[in-house]
Amino acid sequence: EAGVTQSPTHLIKTRGQQATLRCSPISGHTSVYWYQQALGLGLQFLLWYDEGEERNRGNFPPRFSGRQFPNYSSELNVNALELEDSALYLCASSLSMSPLHFGNGTRLTVT
Amino acid sequence: QKEVEQDPGPLSVPEGAIVSLNCTYSNSAFQYFMWYRQYSRKGPELLMYTYSSGNKEDGRFTAQVDKSSKYISLFIRDSQPSDSATYLCAMRESSGSARQLTFGSGTQLTVLP
Repeated sequence: EAGVTQSPTHLIKTRGQQATLRCSPISGHTSVYWYQQALGLGLQFLLWYDEGEERNRGNFPPRFSGRQFPNYSSELNVNALELEDSALYLCASSLSMSPLHFGNGTRLTVT
Repeated sequence: QKEVEQDPGPLSVPEGAIVSLNCTYSNSAFQYFMWYRQYSRKGPELLMYTYSSGNKEDGRFTAQVDKSSKYISLFIRDSQPSDSATYLCAMRESSGSARQLTFGSGTQLTVLP
């Protein structure tokens, strides 16, 4: 069974630009979660999508947004990038209340 | 105060030692408890998954949940150098509208050969 896949592995952007990160969930999983893991801050919850709808979001500004496609894959968009957005962005998937399974993340560097 | 508190370590033990990792939490609505292991430059990998209070054992790993004390533990027996990683506790409510996990900050473990 293929795990959660994320692309790209690394992304370098300059301040003010937009970044788009992509995630493919485990086959059969309908929920996708996005987390930010900044150095020294642990995993912070960003967004949860289920069945194509945004179900919950964490304490992040609106320039963090995303969507879930009919095939349950998802993308995370970060607009007006700031230096402090540099982090590892992790995607996870699950089916209903089953445990979350994570991908290996996209490392975003903002210069 | 954070919802989930976890000692960040670092924790260094000799090979073969018993390791104890712990988290405390404040949200009494948390019902599902997980432990993840994260190697450098990798995503978190699910180790243990428990519901409500009690113990669960899987090989060298034992997870304990004490909801009355809002305290969870992970024990690693006969620790190996390959266990060297960051260990993250995570928990969630049983509500269908709050399925996201809340994580501790992680404990960095090094097992010395």
